[in-house]
Amino acid sequence: AQTVTQSQPEMSVQEAETVTLSCTYDTSESDYYLFWYKQPPSRQMILVIRQEAYKQQNATENRFSVNFQKAAKSFSLKISDSQLGDAAMYFCAYRNYNNNDMRFGAGTRLTVKP
Amino acid sequence: DGGITQSPKYLFRKEGQNVTLSCEQNLNHDAMYWYRQDPGQGLRLIYYSQIVNDFQKGDIAEGYSVSREKKESFPLTVTSAQKNPTAFYLCASSWGQLNSPLHFGNGTRLTVT
Repeated sequence: AQTVTQSQPEMSVQEAETVTLSCTYDTSESDYYLFWYKQPPSRQMILVIRQEAYKQQNATENRFSVNFQKAAKSFSLKISDSQLGDAAMYFCAYRNYNNNDMRFGAGTRLTVKP
Repeated sequence: DGGITQSPKYLFRKEGQNVTLSCEQNLNHDAMYWYRQDPGQGLRLIYYSQIVNDFQKGDIAEGYSVSREKKESFPLTVTSAQKNPTAFYLCASSWGQLNSPLHFGNGTRLTVT
């Protein structure tokens, strides 16, 4: 089974600063999709951003962007101009063409300091 | 409003009892999923279903069972064979396309004593 690794259990950032969350994955497939989800204290899972593996251009969604390095199997999330509302658990997820399941990493807890 | 409803929010059971967690969606999604969330372990896939009357085991299916008799419903039964059932359970659904994100319910916290 494919695995997703988030090596940073916890991260902190000063309000208005930039932070990068790391994610690596293991796969032998060439076509797949990658996602970042946010889980605030309410525990509701919210999609932050997604990336198709066949696209070389990194996805962006307002203050959120990714650095997708396919050869290195790396998919980091950059949050710019961090806000207090960004404080949450962040999960990286992987999905491939061969089946329809989605695999998640262990998560990174982000704290935003005022 | 369309969405995914998990009920109840909190569930308490005695050890040795089976318990069923409800998950209903009105998004007309084809695929549905059950995940278990434990501290420090992220989300682990229990079962998923791509169409009615069909489902596949995930990584931790032992001690769990599911059914998919209707497109909008995907109940999860935690059986007495599940050794550590106390956890937070999340249900999700998506369109059949692989680039479709998962939409999640609000979760059920199950405590077994």
